[in-house]
Amino acid sequence: DAGVIQSPRHEVTEMGQEVTLRCKPISGHDYLFWYRQTMMRGLELLIYFNNNVPIDDSGMPEDRFSAKMPNASFSTLKIQPSEPRDSAVYFCASSSRQETQYFGPGTRLLVL
Amino acid sequence: AQTVTQSQPEMSVQEAETVTLSCTYDTSESDYYLFWYKQPPSRQMILVIRQEAYKQQNATENRFSVNFQKAAKSFSLKISDSQLGDAAMYFCAYRAEWNYGGATNKLIFGTGTLLAVQP
Repeated sequence: DAGVIQSPRHEVTEMGQEVTLRCKPISGHDYLFWYRQTMMRGLELLIYFNNNVPIDDSGMPEDRFSAKMPNASFSTLKIQPSEPRDSAVYFCASSSRQETQYFGPGTRLLVL
Repeated sequence: AQTVTQSQPEMSVQEAETVTLSCTYDTSESDYYLFWYKQPPSRQMILVIRQEAYKQQNATENRFSVNFQKAAKSFSLKISDSQLGDAAMYFCAYRAEWNYGGATNKLIFGTGTLLAVQP
């Protein structure tokens, strides 16, 4: 299996622009997670899905952030409009029920 | 709320020596999972080892083993015969037992321990 796939790997954008991060989970996994890693806040969960349905979005920082999972093999995390404080590494992870979460390589976002 | 604490921001070990990274956690649950993840400079999060709380036996994966003390809520990672490739940030993480319909499936991470391996 190819593991969790994320794109792009690096994104540099200007403040105010829309940013879309993409994730393809491991085939057969029914849970998908979006995490954000910053120096100040460490690793924090933003949102997670079960069978394409958002279960817990309490970590989504504000309305500028939105996430979708239109099918079992694809999810997006969108930031609109982006701000410099959104600069971070964004990870997608997937798992099946009680199993371990496997992480993608992350997207490093820099908002200028 | 559950919390995970890693009290050692940085550690150093000589190649071929043994090092232990500390982790404590707080929870009122009796069933849960604990993990150690490794994050090398590439930023990839790599699972090192996993422990189910209901298992008394400590998990082992080759040179990596844990000392799980449930009563003390302690979960330390021992790396034996340290290698240069072990240099990375190590995160301890907690996850509650999977719960139908409950929002308990998220990982709660500690702040990490940066491990340096000296040749």
